[in-house]
Formats: sequence, C-alpha cells, structure tokens
Amino acid sequence: NAGVTQTPKFRILKIGQSMTLQCTQDMNHNYMYWYRQDPGMGLKLIYYSVGAGITDKGEVPNGYNVSRSTTEDFPLRLELAAPSQTSVYFCASSGKSSATNEKLFFGSGTQLSVL
Amino acid sequence: GEDVEQSLFLSVREGDSSVINCTYTDSSSTYLYWYKQEPGAGLQLLTYIFSNMDMKQDQRLTVLLNKKDKHLSLRIADTQTGDSAIYFCAESPNTGNQFYFGTGTSLTVIP
Repeated sequence: NAGVTQTPKFRILKIGQSMTLQCTQDMNHNYMYWYRQDPGMGLKLIYYSVGAGITDKGEVPNGYNVSRSTTEDFPLRLELAAPSQTSVYFCASSGKSSATNEKLFFGSGTQLSVL
Repeated sequence: GEDVEQSLFLSVREGDSSVINCTYTDSSSTYLYWYKQEPGAGLQLLTYIFSNMDMKQDQRLTVLLNKKDKHLSLRIADTQTGDSAIYFCAESPNTGNQFYFGTGTSLTVIP
C-alpha cells in the first residue's frame, strides 16, 4: 500500500525560483493537509483541503499556493522562494473530519533548502 | 492558531520509564493524540485518547488526561532504544477541520 507519496525528497532552490511539491494519496481520503516542520517549532499548517475543488488557508499560508483538482492530488506551489521557506514539508491525508477521530496519514517529507 | 506546548528534549536510560508532557488550549477537542516521528520519516499515530477519559493504557503506553488543567502526558514503560524519536501531541478542536501539533519532544534513550 502506497499511502501518501511526496516528491521530491530533497530540493535546493535559489532565491526567487519557483517549484511545486507533489503529494498524492491512494486511500480515497477527502481531507488533505500541508505542514511545514521547523526545529523547535513543531508542525505548522500551511493549507488544507476538505475535498476536490476546495482549499483553505492554515496558520502560515503566505508565499504558498495549492490546488485540489482531484481527490488524489494536492500539490503545493512556491512561487518566489525565500530563505524563510527552508524547512521540511509534510503532506498528510485523513478519511474524515478530526471530530470523528480519523487519524492523519503522513508522507515521508520533502526537505527544501532555499539559498 | 492553538497553542500546544511540550518540552523539547528528554533523556532516559534504557529500561526506565519516560514521561512526555503536553499542555493544550482548546477544551472542545474531542480527541487528543500522540504521534511518533522517527528520523527521516513522517509522523505516525502512536495512540489517542477520547476527551471524556482520564487514562488509556495500550501495552507499554499510558496516556493520562487532565481536562481541568488541559494537560496530557504519555508514559512509556521499560523504554527501549527503539523508542528514541520525536513525540508530538496534537489536538483537533471541534470548531474546524484542523489538527494542531505541539513543538515535539525529542526522546533519547541511553543504552
């Protein structure tokens, strides 16, 4: 079972470049999330989606964009990369809302450095 | 966002018990969670507790919940070197679709 798949695993960007972090899940989950993880800061929610065609901002959306054209895919776009976006990015999915205790399934992460 | 706080580091000797603490802010959370992150990997759900429970035991894991103080703890009995990881507590307020994570506690088990 593939679960949640993220690509790439590592990437180095120059300031001002753009890139898309890919995320796909094969569990037919409605809910998908993008988090960033910084040392000592835990996970901060960037964007999330409750179904195809619907996206919402999380705690730290500035500098990022998302789209959800299919249930399976939830790409995260960085348009003008900045050093502050150096982080580890995790995609996650869930079958139902948090109120029904549907656990999050995480991808293995993308380590991004902006130099 | 919500404030979920944890201490950053914990070291224990192999065979001892580990206790990882967490404080959260939203009393409406129906479930509270503990996730484990091993090096180079994503987070995996370790255990969870329903908000109307005080304690939940699952083999070597004991979760204690004090709703009045909004305090959650995870006790690992007979800690092993394989338990070395970062542990995150998380809450999911009923008012939205989001999960809020703590800062993570890095547990080091000394042989």
